[in-house]
Amino acid sequence: GDSVTQMEGPVTLSEEAFLTINCTYTATGYPSLFWYVQYPGEGLQLLLKATKADDKGSNKGFEATYRKETTSFHLEKGSVQVSDSAVYFCALSDQGGSYIPTFGRGTSLIVHP
Amino acid sequence: GAGVSQTPSNKVTEKGKYVELRCDPISGHTALYWYRQSLGQGPEFLIYFQGTGAADDSGLPNDRFFAVRPEGSVSTLKIQRTERGDSAVYLCASSLLPGAYNEQFFGPGTRLTVL
Repeated sequence: GDSVTQMEGPVTLSEEAFLTINCTYTATGYPSLFWYVQYPGEGLQLLLKATKADDKGSNKGFEATYRKETTSFHLEKGSVQVSDSAVYFCALSDQGGSYIPTFGRGTSLIVHP
Repeated sequence: GAGVSQTPSNKVTEKGKYVELRCDPISGHTALYWYRQSLGQGPEFLIYFQGTGAADDSGLPNDRFFAVRPEGSVSTLKIQRTERGDSAVYLCASSLLPGAYNEQFFGPGTRLTVL
């Protein structure tokens, strides 16, 4: 079945550092890929998405590119802020199936001033 | 506007008891989803409604779990004979329409603790 693997956290960075959170996936079809973010005390929010190979999703300075050849969707940001501290979830949704997203385990990001 | 709301925010119960968890989706959203999130894990799908009917309940772990959405808006997740392993955060989400291209909006969750 479909699955998503994320790098283990926590990821701890200083403000203005470069961020990469790795995500790889296994899917039988051609899924849509998503990054969700969960800030402390809040519900999950969609951060960005990509629906086909080579698409780049971007939002709030975060980017991720749908790489079909490496089955990856790594999240990057050039300069993190303390306010980016949250848990980040990679997810996929099979476009040909029931489109119920499959989530990774989440990666906690802690940004220090 | 108002987002997805869930009540209660916390629920503590004893093993063997019955619990109901409520979800109020965004007004006008036709699709509603329930997930369960255990500590250190991502959300796991339980059931999805399109309107009043359960379009996919393949994620419900066993027949102690049941959900309804009688008028196509508010939904209630019902758990009978609760077990300690049911302890988790139960998340609700809604989207305007079903489908991978339609963003799901999540509520803050209900944290269920079974003693």
